Amino acid sequence: DTTVKQNPRYKLARVGKPVNLICSQTMNHDTMYWYQKKPNQAPKLLLFYYDKILNREADTFEKFQSSRPNNSFCSLYIGSAGLEYSAMYLCASRLTGWGQDTQYFGPGTRLLVL
Amino acid sequence: QQKVQQSPESLTVSEGAMASLNCTFSDGTSNNFRWYRQHSAKGLEVLVSIFSDGEKEEGRFTAHLNRANLHVSLHIREPQPSDSAVYLCAVTGGSNAKLTFGKGTKLSVKS
Repeated sequence: DTTVKQNPRYKLARVGKPVNLICSQTMNHDTMYWYQKKPNQAPKLLLFYYDKILNREADTFEKFQSSRPNNSFCSLYIGSAGLEYSAMYLCASRLTGWGQDTQYFGPGTRLLVL
Repeated sequence: QQKVQQSPESLTVSEGAMASLNCTFSDGTSNNFRWYRQHSAKGLEVLVSIFSDGEKEEGRFTAHLNRANLHVSLHIREPQPSDSAVYLCAVTGGSNAKLTFGKGTKLSVKS
């Protein structure tokens, strides 16, 4: 089973309000990723956890937070949503190791900020 | 920094005709290359992964990699209307298997 789950599937948020998105996987993958995808743009890596170590991309460092309370769950947190955060957010997971670099994606959460 | 370009931006083919999508990248030392598919409002589905120059087939999907030309393509044999989706090329590199994506090709298959 290579299922990655995301909740909620759709989220409506108000400008200035916080947003928390959830991702889970039961494959015991050690690495979990969050991507942002806007229409007609390439998915953009926001951050990833390797085990308990969080790595955030430099250009989105201050905009997104994340937590990983255990191996199976990973959240993406926006402290104060702006209109520019409207996008599809994709979670992926991977098991590191030789020949094991396929990232498996969840169905995504579509966030609309008004 | 790896740059990935896909062409065409959109493609319409008739059911049963071959569909060909292209992807160019800037760094030929990248580890491997993948094609993903995204149906509307759904997540990404990996179609085929290719690591070495040449051809890799997964069912009706065939990827061709030419590192010297910095090019990887995807060919879809006998496409069906259910294959209508956005196809994303992804290049993997670095110790954390960081993916760099292209913007995608929107494929429409007409019956």
